Amino acid sequence: DAKTTQPPSMDCAEGRAANLPCNHSTISGNEYVYWYRQIHSQGPQYIIHGLKNNETNEMASLIITEDRKSSTLILPHATLRDTAVYYCIVRGHYNSGYALNFGKGTSLLVTP
Amino acid sequence: SQTIHQWPATLVQPVGSPLSLECTVEGTSNPNLYWYRQAAGRGLQLLFYSVGIGQISSEVPQNLSASRPQDRQFILSSKKLLLSDSGFYLCAWIAGGPKGLAELLAKNIQYFGAGTRLSVL
Repeated sequence: DAKTTQPPSMDCAEGRAANLPCNHSTISGNEYVYWYRQIHSQGPQYIIHGLKNNETNEMASLIITEDRKSSTLILPHATLRDTAVYYCIVRGHYNSGYALNFGKGTSLLVTP
Repeated sequence: SQTIHQWPATLVQPVGSPLSLECTVEGTSNPNLYWYRQAAGRGLQLLFYSVGIGQISSEVPQNLSASRPQDRQFILSSKKLLLSDSGFYLCAWIAGGPKGLAELLAKNIQYFGAGTRLSVL
C-alpha cells in the first residue's frame, strides 16, 4: 500500500472550514484514499473515501488531485466535536485481511 | 443495521494474570474481524485478523492470542499479562463473503468497536 504523509497537527476556528491535506505520491491506479478520525478514547470512525473523483457526504468532502498524488479532506463548518486525530489511508492490495494501516494522522484542534 | 460490541470498556489487571476480551458483531454474516492495539500516544497496531471461523492470522509476535469460535465472535486472550500489554484494544470488522477484489477495495469500510482500555499493574 502507498505511504501517506500528513501534518502532525492543525488548528481551526469553530465554524470555519477545516482543510486537512494528505500526500500519497506513490499511489497506484487501483488504490483508494480513505479518511478516518479518532476522537479521544473512542474507536476510529469512517468519514469518506474515494478513488479519483471528488466525493461528498454528510460529514465531509474529499478532493483528490488529478494526478492522485495528494488529497484534501474538508470539514465545511468545523465544530468543537470535530476535534480528533484524522487519518488518511491508502488501500489497494490484499494484505492482512484488508486491515487498514493507520499512520500517525493529523491532530485537529477546533477552537471556540 | 450492523453493530459491534466490545467488553469490558475498562480493565485493570495485575501482571501475570490471564486476559479475555470479547468482541461480537451483529447484523452481518461472515465478516472479517480484527484486533488492534493502541499504546498511549501511539498509532493503531494490527494484532490479529480472521477471515472465518477458526482462521486466525497474527501480525506481530506477542504475548497474546486470538480465537474465533463463532462466525461473529472474536476473542483476544493472554495466559499471563505483561506490563507492556497495557493499551487501548479495538475490535473491528468489514463485510466478508465472496467478493471480487475491486468491490472489496471500493467498499473496504472498517467499523470499530468502542474499545477496551487495559491497564496492567
